[in-house]
Amino acid sequence: QSALTQPPSASGSPGQSVTISCTGTSSDVGGYNYVSWYQQHPGKAPKLMIYEVSKRPSGVPDRFSGSKSGNTASLTVSGLQAEDEADYYCSSYAGSKVVFGGGTKLTVL
Amino acid sequence: QITLKESGPTLVKPTQTLTLTCTFSGFSLSTSGVGVGWIRQPPGKALEWLALIYWNDDKRYSPSLKSRLTITKDTSKNQVVLTMTNMDPVDTATYYCAHSPLRFPGDWYFDLWGRGTLVTVSS
Repeated sequence: QSALTQPPSASGSPGQSVTISCTGTSSDVGGYNYVSWYQQHPGKAPKLMIYEVSKRPSGVPDRFSGSKSGNTASLTVSGLQAEDEADYYCSSYAGSKVVFGGGTKLTVL
Repeated sequence: QITLKESGPTLVKPTQTLTLTCTFSGFSLSTSGVGVGWIRQPPGKALEWLALIYWNDDKRYSPSLKSRLTITKDTSKNQVVLTMTNMDPVDTATYYCAHSPLRFPGDWYFDLWGRGTLVTVSS
């Protein structure tokens, strides 16, 4: 049982937008602006896509955006591309520890 | 260019102690505001944070595994070592080390990861 709740799956057609939610509590997501998102392709290491709720590291396409409202953070992928098909994990600081979500498998139809 | 690489045994027996080494380049763990963390992922399952060590030798552990974990650093060798005692088959996972910029207190995200090493626990 992961500390943060994500939908197991999400999907969209090329060019569409899809949003993945990440629900926590006031002790993690809601309590800090330290939510990050990771993309993981099969057999590969995770890759940082978003940090501090909405900031993108250099090299991450601006099709990826993050936001937060209350205890729920969201990752939106706009203009879906085939290479976006992967697992996505949210993470949050939770007071002297890091918690992850259970992961969402994004399928590009 | 920052790189990290995990090394250690691929197979350990139940009750044994696991020792993993993260060897990195492109940064120094003596530089203020830098950290290295360990994260694991059982086959087909989610990521799980294990531990984090700061440049100033401050250490943080997952509360659920704290009694079994020890994280240390060797700045001269650019290495971080994680030991986990009393290994069990449920600890079978890919173990990753990762760089953390530690921009602010609590800002514990991981911007660069090693490729991971699969550790199997079996008799």
